[in-house]
Amino acid sequence: GAVVSQHPSRVICKSGTSVKIECRSLDFQATTMFWYRQFPKQSLMLMATSNEGSKATYEQGVEKDKFLINHASLTLSTLTVTSAHPEDSSFYICSASRSGEQYFGPGTRLTVT
Amino acid sequence: GNSVTQMEGPVTLSEEAFLTINCTYTATGYPSLFWYVQYPGEGLQLLLKATKADDKGSNKGFEATYRKETTSFHLEKGSVQVSDSAVYFCALSLSNDYKLSFGAGTTVTVRA
Repeated sequence: GAVVSQHPSRVICKSGTSVKIECRSLDFQATTMFWYRQFPKQSLMLMATSNEGSKATYEQGVEKDKFLINHASLTLSTLTVTSAHPEDSSFYICSASRSGEQYFGPGTRLTVT
Repeated sequence: GNSVTQMEGPVTLSEEAFLTINCTYTATGYPSLFWYVQYPGEGLQLLLKATKADDKGSNKGFEATYRKETTSFHLEKGSVQVSDSAVYFCALSLSNDYKLSFGAGTTVTVRA
């Protein structure tokens, strides 16, 4: 149990367009999900905490208007990268919390050309 | 603030060798400590954890002991296998918000 999926696994988009990444908890309900960003050979950096039915809480330095997070149901959170630029290219990882433990999705590789 | 420092890799070992990955932390309060593993092409998985000083977490032959006096949580395995090749992340969280702070990750490659 405790499986988290992400879709898509890879996406390439043109500069200026928006991209939506989905994070789903497949076999449990998660009131809290987290979004991370991972640069090559670097650690995961927490971007925001997504709470079902309320606004996301963003970490310092993360642009909330650029990285839109919607946690519309207990099994789905979405991250939309708006007006993407090449510097937004990265590996985005979500996790879903259950009983105080986080379960991670496999990640989404975003490349902005 | 909270931070985690772990040994830089990459680490390359032969099968049956002893593995140690050092991890130290800085935290306000009393964090829980974790080791996560990321196998090629997969998401992070919890390997083991410890929630208070002197606790020992263990799983799949890996062990780590929460040392408050040295603020450390070093990961060890006595005899590694090729299937242990992965990236290992040390992390901490404070119980009030469950947010995780990660170390940089250590890539381990085990050769047959």
